Amino acid sequence: AQSVAQPEDQVNVAEGNPLTVKCTYSVSGNPYLFWYVQYPNRGLQFLLKYITGDNLVKGSYGFEAEFNKSQTSFHLKKPSALVSDSALYFCAVRPPYSGAGSYQLTFGKGTKLSVIP
Amino acid sequence: NAGVTQTPKFRVLKTGQSMTLLCAQDMNHEYMYWYRQDPGMGLRLIHYSVGEGTTAKGEVPDGYNVSRLKKQNFLLGLESAAPSQTSVYFCASSDRRMNTEAFFGQGTRLTVV
Repeated sequence: AQSVAQPEDQVNVAEGNPLTVKCTYSVSGNPYLFWYVQYPNRGLQFLLKYITGDNLVKGSYGFEAEFNKSQTSFHLKKPSALVSDSALYFCAVRPPYSGAGSYQLTFGKGTKLSVIP
Repeated sequence: NAGVTQTPKFRVLKTGQSMTLLCAQDMNHEYMYWYRQDPGMGLRLIHYSVGEGTTAKGEVPDGYNVSRLKKQNFLLGLESAAPSQTSVYFCASSDRRMNTEAFFGQGTRLTVV
């Protein structure tokens, strides 16, 4: 079964500094990887995904993520943090198709990002 | 497009009561999911459906039932609510292609007292 680990419950960063939110995964085969953001009292919004190809993926709101197959990681990054980036971030994985269980999208526990003015 | 709509947004139940949460999507998606979100636990999959008339168990299915009688709707039922089912419930839907992202509803905050 697939799994996702987000090792940091909270990340604090000063406004204007680069940010990184870490994600590692465990899945058989080549995974599909996703990042979502959740603002207070809202549903999850899609940020970006890795399917195949270039290991650096660009997404919404200036976010990007780097896929590293050897380290089984998919860290979310942004060159310059904004106060409005403060939110809860979720990494998710879906395995390549291999049966009914492949439909499941498995999430990490989330990382709370706080950008300090 | 409304996307994914959940009804109701808030609900308080007494232990032992039953209720149904409705999820409706207007994107003609094949796959639909019900998750629960608890502090420190992330999102955990309760049940999912890969098409009209089909459902399957996820990670935490006990105490819940689901039905997908119409492609656009996915219902989550609690037959006898327990305080442990106090949570925020999210519905999501996605296209049948494995490499597409899921779209989420706004959530239902359920409190069982």
